[in-house]
Amino acid sequence: ETGVTQTPRHLVMGMTNKKSLKCEQHLGHNAMYWYKQSAKKPLELMFVYSLEERVENNSVPSRFSPECPNSSHLFLHLHTLQPEDSALYLCASSQDGQANTEAFFGQGTRLTVV
Amino acid sequence: AQSVTQLGSHVSVSEGALVLLRCNYSSSVPPYLFWYVQYPNQGLQLLLKYTSAATLVKGINGFEAEFKKSETSFHLTKPSAHMSDAAEYFCAVRGGTGRRALTFGSGTRLQVQP
Repeated sequence: ETGVTQTPRHLVMGMTNKKSLKCEQHLGHNAMYWYKQSAKKPLELMFVYSLEERVENNSVPSRFSPECPNSSHLFLHLHTLQPEDSALYLCASSQDGQANTEAFFGQGTRLTVV
Repeated sequence: AQSVTQLGSHVSVSEGALVLLRCNYSSSVPPYLFWYVQYPNQGLQLLLKYTSAATLVKGINGFEAEFKKSETSFHLTKPSAHMSDAAEYFCAVRGGTGRRALTFGSGTRLQVQP
C-alpha cells in the first residue's frame, strides 16, 4: 500500500453510537492531520499531530477524540455525534519541519449521522 | 495569520477554452502556496506548489500558476479545458513559524461544458 489510506470509506451511525475512523500513512511522514469537509463550507482543520504529540486542537467538540499511537496511524473516535457532524472527514500527512512540502490526503470517510 | 481567498465559487468554461481560477493570499511572511484538486467523493490531490524557486510553476494535467507578489495572487490557469478537468479546486497556504497545517480557501467548482 502506498500513500494515505482511510477506513471505512463510508459510515452511517446513530447519535448514540461509538465508532472510530482510521488513517494510515505509508510515506514515512512525522505529522498527521484531521480535516472536516462539510457541504458549502471551507475545509476545517480539526487536529494536528507531530511526532505523535497533539500540537493543535482547533476548538473541536469533545465528542471527537483523536488518537495517534505511532507516526503511521491516526484515529478519530466518535461518540454521541449530532446530525450536523455529517461530513467528509479527511486525513492528511506531511513531513514536519519542511514548510515547502505538501500534505498528502487520504480518500476520506463519508460520515452520516442519523 | 496566513489566509487565502478564492474568488468565484463556481466557474463554467467550454471545452477547449482557457481556465482561470483565482487565488489571493494574505501573509506577513513569504508564503508557500499550493493548488489541490478534488474529484467527487475523493481526497485532495496536489496540482502544483510555489516554493520561491520560480514565479511560474507548472503542475500536473497541464495546469500552471504564477506567483505575483505585487498582486498577492497565485492564480491557476490551463490553456485548454478538458471535460476531465471538471472538479473542485482549492488554493492553500502554509506560512509563518511553526505553522504546520495548510490553510485552505473555500474552493472553486469548475464545470466544463461540451
